[in-house]
Amino acid sequence: EIVLTQSPATLSLSPGERATLSCGASQSVSSSYLAWYQQKPGLAPRLLIYDASSRATGIPDRFSGSGSGTDFTLTISRLEPEDFAVYYCQQYGSSPRTFGQGTKVEIK
Amino acid sequence: EVQLVESGGGLVQPGRSLRLSCTASGFTFGDYAMSWVRQAPGKGLEWVGFIRSKAYGGTTEYAASVKGRFTISRDDSKSIAYLQMNSLKTEDTAVYYCTRDRLITMVRGVTNFYYYYMDVWGKGTTVTVSS
Repeated sequence: EIVLTQSPATLSLSPGERATLSCGASQSVSSSYLAWYQQKPGLAPRLLIYDASSRATGIPDRFSGSGSGTDFTLTISRLEPEDFAVYYCQQYGSSPRTFGQGTKVEIK
Repeated sequence: EVQLVESGGGLVQPGRSLRLSCTASGFTFGDYAMSWVRQAPGKGLEWVGFIRSKAYGGTTEYAASVKGRFTISRDDSKSIAYLQMNSLKTEDTAVYYCTRDRLITMVRGVTNFYYYYMDVWGKGTTVTVSS
């Protein structure tokens, strides 16, 4: 099973700042089959990025994903108030599908 | 509008069974694989398992933590996916989400490989296992 480790656990930033979230895999993720999800309190997760760098339908272009192999990054270029949430990475290149433990982006 | 609505959650005693349903609308249900993902209180996300579409065999895969106790099935005529949970444990307490899976086909040589990511999520249903 591929273990995903996200860092940092918490990111304290102000609106307008740039957020960089990391996701490291215990072994190479096949064909960069990695997704990022956003979850706000009390709500279901929402798909942001799939295939490591493809934005899902309706996702603003301030969200971007990059990386390959064992190192992946989600970047939010300029934080909007609605972006403060928990973000999870998830790999689907091998079974079982696994999630990282999440990074909370909070208002500084 | 694409929508998934989970139902069937509730309070159940350890060792008992519960069946969750996921009713889909706004897309051709039979064309998609479907997954279940859960989230224990205050914790992260855990993939539970999925069922392929009939076109890809309708077969299932499960996480090790639920294999042999949970069963996923589907009724394409009703656009419903089910999660049958038997021999429930207190650690199964969680919000259970149903998701739609998008298929990626990778061709390597003469072999096709299939991968799935979860693009639409329901709002979830809460299962509490407690005596």
